[in-house]
Amino acid sequence: AQKVTQAQTEISVVEKEDVTLDCVYETRDTTYYLFWYKQPPSGELVFLIRRNSFDEQNEISGRYSWNFQKSTSSFNFTITASQVVDSAVYFCALSKAGANSKLTFGKGITLSVRP
Amino acid sequence: GAGVSQTPSNKVTEKGKYVELRCDPISGHTALYWYRQSLGQGPEFLIYFQGTGAADDSGLPNDRFFAVRPEGSVSTLKIQRTERGDSAVYLCASSLDRAGSSTDTQYFGPGTRLTVL
Repeated sequence: AQKVTQAQTEISVVEKEDVTLDCVYETRDTTYYLFWYKQPPSGELVFLIRRNSFDEQNEISGRYSWNFQKSTSSFNFTITASQVVDSAVYFCALSKAGANSKLTFGKGITLSVRP
Repeated sequence: GAGVSQTPSNKVTEKGKYVELRCDPISGHTALYWYRQSLGQGPEFLIYFQGTGAADDSGLPNDRFFAVRPEGSVSTLKIQRTERGDSAVYLCASSLDRAGSSTDTQYFGPGTRLTVL
């Protein structure tokens, strides 16, 4: 069975601080995919990134960066110089590879960025 | 282009009633998923359609829940004899599922908030 653990439930930072959101996963599959989604107060899940299990390169997109470490089964997300608009619930998710890619989500981390 | 749309955005019903929730996926997306999100939790998988057929309905909680996708596009999630515990946000997602693709990204709709009184 697949499992995603987001141990942090709520994080509060002041604008311009860096913040890291942790994600630990469990799977017996050798090929799998990891995702991060953002859920702002409006409620819609917004896709941020997808990473397959064979690609351990870190990725940077603007103020966002992701650190995938297979050895520790972690896929952490860092926001640099946080902004108020980053306030949202962030979900890490895991899927098998293949046609039925149903997602297993963590419980989410509520990030509050204060001005 | 247009994203995934879901109607209604809010639905309030009484215990024991029947409800239908609609999902209109991104045009051309062959895969469609339904999830349920309870307060303070991550979304949980309900059912997956590839084209018109339900390829995986292992997440449906019981036989009061049923979903269809008759023409391979719009899908309807149907809940019979609603219970207070069915109150949640029901999310729909679609993906391209290109032939030979290992995994395509799922794009989510805004959800339907169901409240059972």
